[in-house]
This record gives sequence, structure tokens and C-alpha cells, in this order.
Amino acid sequence: TQLLEQSPQFLSIQEGENLTVYCNSSSVFSSLQWYRQEPGEGPVLLVTVVTGGEVKKLKRLTFQFGDARKDSSLHITAAQPGDTGLYLCAGVESGYSTLTFGKGTMLLVSP
Amino acid sequence: DSGVTQTPKHLITATGQRVTLRCSPRSGDLSVYWYQQSLDQGLQFLIQYYNGEERAKGNILERFSAQQFPDLHSELNLSSLELGDSALYFCASSPRGGGARNSPLHFGNGTRLTVT
Repeated sequence: TQLLEQSPQFLSIQEGENLTVYCNSSSVFSSLQWYRQEPGEGPVLLVTVVTGGEVKKLKRLTFQFGDARKDSSLHITAAQPGDTGLYLCAGVESGYSTLTFGKGTMLLVSP
Repeated sequence: DSGVTQTPKHLITATGQRVTLRCSPRSGDLSVYWYQQSLDQGLQFLIQYYNGEERAKGNILERFSAQQFPDLHSELNLSSLELGDSALYFCASSPRGGGARNSPLHFGNGTRLTVT
């Protein structure tokens, strides 16, 4: 079983639409990170959340860490083709130090 | 550009062979992490080195080994290769050794290994 479950696995939308992707676990995390990976490249960090209930905004992207620090969501407003990529959540379990990744959500935004 | 350099970009080899993947971390970063990415498993943590010493171990097979040299570059050695070892192998670096809790990882662009 995967420590971090991401949903949906694949999302295809039109430019201008809004979307939310989810990252869920039964474990508690001391911090959770979101990365975006484009074809042929490594993941690039978007944000780190560390406090339960924390909300962070990065332009049109809004990240939320669940109150219990077991889940997170990423909301994109008015998606653009440049948002296309694999969105990965990754967490450090409480008491551990290594970063565990979910399998990701592949987002395709068409013009 | 993350500042992390991985070579080679592509590697094609036969089953049973041995290969070495190389990683140069960002300038100043002391920790190096190795991850394997495949379609079915996603990104799987293999091993972490900090300033030359092994710091954490993940799902790394016994046929795989790694080391970090005094100049902080790292090598991942894969031996007795099997078809299932075909994957993208990523190296990442971070400034500190305390893990990724407060220290984001900077990834290289990976080495694509194909075992035939």
C-alpha cells in the first residue's frame, strides 16, 4: 500500500477551468511538500506546509494542509497550458526524516 | 536549472550487466538522495548520504550500492541488472543532513536506464 494516495491519477481539462487534486494518508506528517515534474526533468518544489490547517498561495495555486496533518490539497484557479505536468505530494512522517512521495496526479491543460 | 547534475542522461544495457550513475549536488549541499521512478511504483526513495556517510536507507536492493566521495559527488552502482530495473533514477541534494522536513530537495534531471 502507498503511504500517500493521490487523486485523481489523471486529469484533463480546458484552459480556464478550476481544479483540485488531493493527497491523503492515514499517517501524520511533520511536513508536506508539493512538487511539479515536467517531462524529461526532475521534480521542482512548489511549496512546503508544516502547520495543520495551513493555507499557502502561489499565484493561482492554493495549497492546504489538513488540520490533522494527514492530508493536503492543491487547488488551481483558471488553469493554463503551462500548468501541465505531474503534481507530486511528498511528506516526512512524524518521527522520521526521509521524504516519501505519492504517485502523482498527471494534469493536462488544453488551450 | 536546479544545480544538480546527473550523468549520463540515458543508459541502455543488457541484463546481468553493471552500471554506474553519477551525481554532482548543488554547490554547498552536503546531502545527496537517490530515488527510482517507475510508472507503477512512482518515486521510491533508495538511499541518502550526508557529508560522505550513509544517513538513511529506503527500498534499495542488495544489488544496488551507493557512495558519496570527499568532493560530495555521489555514485549509484547497479549490478546484475534485471529488466525490472529499467526506470528513471533521480539524484537530489539538500544543504543539511537532517532530512527533508525543513530542507527542500533539489532534483537533477535524472538518468533513464533501459535494461534489455
